[in-house]
Amino acid sequence: DGGITQSPKYLFRKEGQNVTLSCEQNLNHDAMYWYRQDPGQGLRLIYYSQIVNDFQKGDIAEGYSVSREKKESFPLTVTSAQKNPTAFYLCASSITTPRWDSQETQYFGPGTRLLVL
Amino acid sequence: AQSVAQPEDQVNVAEGNPLTVKCTYSVSGNPYLFWYVQYPNRGLQFLLKYITGDNLVKGSYGFEAEFNKSQTSFHLKKPSALVSDSALYFCAVKSRGNTGKLIFGQGTTLQVKP
Repeated sequence: DGGITQSPKYLFRKEGQNVTLSCEQNLNHDAMYWYRQDPGQGLRLIYYSQIVNDFQKGDIAEGYSVSREKKESFPLTVTSAQKNPTAFYLCASSITTPRWDSQETQYFGPGTRLLVL
Repeated sequence: AQSVAQPEDQVNVAEGNPLTVKCTYSVSGNPYLFWYVQYPNRGLQFLLKYITGDNLVKGSYGFEAEFNKSQTSFHLKKPSALVSDSALYFCAVKSRGNTGKLIFGQGTTLQVKP
């Protein structure tokens, strides 16, 4: 899991509630990512950020929001608009280079399991 | 559309036997290919990656993978399996010119029995 921390390990959400998952890295990586993992479906990209104050939607961004105010932090908010939030959420980071064909490895945090009450 | 397939949901091997976890991909151009392992309720750990050059890539914990361009495959292998290798394995691909976005297979559970 390296220098990437996620908190909390378990999170419970009530109906209509927004919750925020924390992701911090001390690897001095430029890029950070959020994935959602559901059984039998692999990982799906929610949002990613290549640089501070900039981020892009991934494949399943609806019902989620992010911010990137600091290089080391990339919090994910699961809003009440996300109707099926129960999943394992994984944060990752990587070094990026200015080259267009980025080959850098993504390194993952330990994950947060979100459950709905 | 770009995709990654891991055709086996589960692979069972006996300890000491060789193991193979299969991965095929559909990506335009020459991709970058990765293998990750996940233990229960943990994040993914990087095992190895193919960028260019030698088709046989060696990685962590004695794992290796063979890139086959004609068959668009990147199978994970280990000569002698350990019980501690039992975990969920993910293949992932990234096309050149597509910064950041990894596409994952659905995962293969490896069960190594003593």
